[in-house]
Amino acid sequence: DVKVTQSSRYLVKRTGEKVFLECVQDMDHENMFWYRQDPGLGLRLIYFSYDVKMKEKGDIPEGYSVSREKKERFSLILESASTNQTSMYLCASSPPGTPPYEQYFGPGTRLTVT
Amino acid sequence: DQQVKQNSPSLSVQEGRISILNCDYTNSMFDYFLWYKKYPAEGPTFLISISSIKDKNEDGRFTVFLNKSAKHLSLHIVPSQPGDSAVYFCAASGNSDSWGKLQFGAGTQVVVTP
Repeated sequence: DVKVTQSSRYLVKRTGEKVFLECVQDMDHENMFWYRQDPGLGLRLIYFSYDVKMKEKGDIPEGYSVSREKKERFSLILESASTNQTSMYLCASSPPGTPPYEQYFGPGTRLTVT
Repeated sequence: DQQVKQNSPSLSVQEGRISILNCDYTNSMFDYFLWYKKYPAEGPTFLISISSIKDKNEDGRFTVFLNKSAKHLSLHIVPSQPGDSAVYFCAASGNSDSWGKLQFGAGTQVVVTP
């Protein structure tokens, strides 16, 4: 069974703080993704990585950065948290881009920035 | 601009009846379409997919129909059960994107009533 774990289920941070969200997968997948989920907007891709130390911007990368030092771990960093980054953050992984492109998701981190 | 649209934010259906969820897309390069199901406080889980070379795919109670000319797909759940109450996301991927990125719709909240 594919397992994707995220370091925290709930997180409360203050405006301006640096925030780290960690994601670990145990299926040796090359691809890893960070999304945020907001009501009425669905899942929007922030960043993805297709290999260690490789990263690509998604649709909404502003205000975020990522790190992938090991294959199984993909971190999302909010350099200076703002209230508009309050959201549900979802990490996913997948094998190399082969159909049907199924991604496996972690349980999510509900981040509140006050 | 969202390339995958789910125009119905919610759907209420009686237990035992059919649930029909709709999804429209704008990018003609999409070649795979997926449906994900999400319960509160959990990550999305893969439900069913369809290739653009097919017009129907069935898995138990779940059937996905694809109309390429109309750029429209639908998910049928028959019969609907209380455990089907969740948010359903439509997603799409294109063969020009070897990383397997997915574009998600905004989701449809399904409530199955007794």
